[in-house]
Amino acid sequence: EPEVTQTPSHQVTQMGQEVILRCVPISNHLYFYWYRQILGQKVEFLVSFYNNEISEKSEIFDDQFSVERPDGSNFTLKIRSTKLEDSAMYFCASSGQISNQPQHFGDGTRLSIL
Amino acid sequence: QKEVEQNSGPLSVPEGAIASLNCTYSDRVSQSFFWYRQYSGKSPELIMSIYSNGDKEDGRFTAQLNKASQYVSLLIRDSQPSDSATYLCAVLDNYGQNFVFGPGTRLSVLP
Repeated sequence: EPEVTQTPSHQVTQMGQEVILRCVPISNHLYFYWYRQILGQKVEFLVSFYNNEISEKSEIFDDQFSVERPDGSNFTLKIRSTKLEDSAMYFCASSGQISNQPQHFGDGTRLSIL
Repeated sequence: QKEVEQNSGPLSVPEGAIASLNCTYSDRVSQSFFWYRQYSGKSPELIMSIYSNGDKEDGRFTAQLNKASQYVSLLIRDSQPSDSATYLCAVLDNYGQNFVFGPGTRLSVLP
């Protein structure tokens, strides 16, 4: 069964550094998403991406964050000048041809900011 | 602000019993509803989607939707210890493309 893959599984970074989290969505999906989950808290929406542009973003997704689909397969989340509070699990998800179809999640990247 | 509410639990049921998980949502225009299961330290895993009022059954799982009451539930029949996890309710509306997740209900199925 096709799946969403994320790399790395764990990223440790010094505060103030930039990180790039990578995702390969399911190949025939058109909608892509990033979510984060701080330890012990609920899953929070960050951004959705369709047709090579951001379609919606949350208040969390400020100028520190950016997304890119540099080629036909990868979907990346860049966090500039990381802060301690950016430590969380980051999940990538994708959904199919219509936006209201179920979203399928990758295994996540655990980001630890020191 | 769109809100999705769930009892945080833990909800404890004995093995073989029916587990009933509830979710309410604030946005009346919401049209698409999903239940995910999340094991500790893992990613959300889709269980079911439901779009119309009424019941939808898939194996041991039944989702129930009542849009007038802004309520969606998940029943798990013949609960197994492997069902022990946090169950997330997610709501998607027709204006956006993002899920709003509830905080999750932690289910514990006791052998």
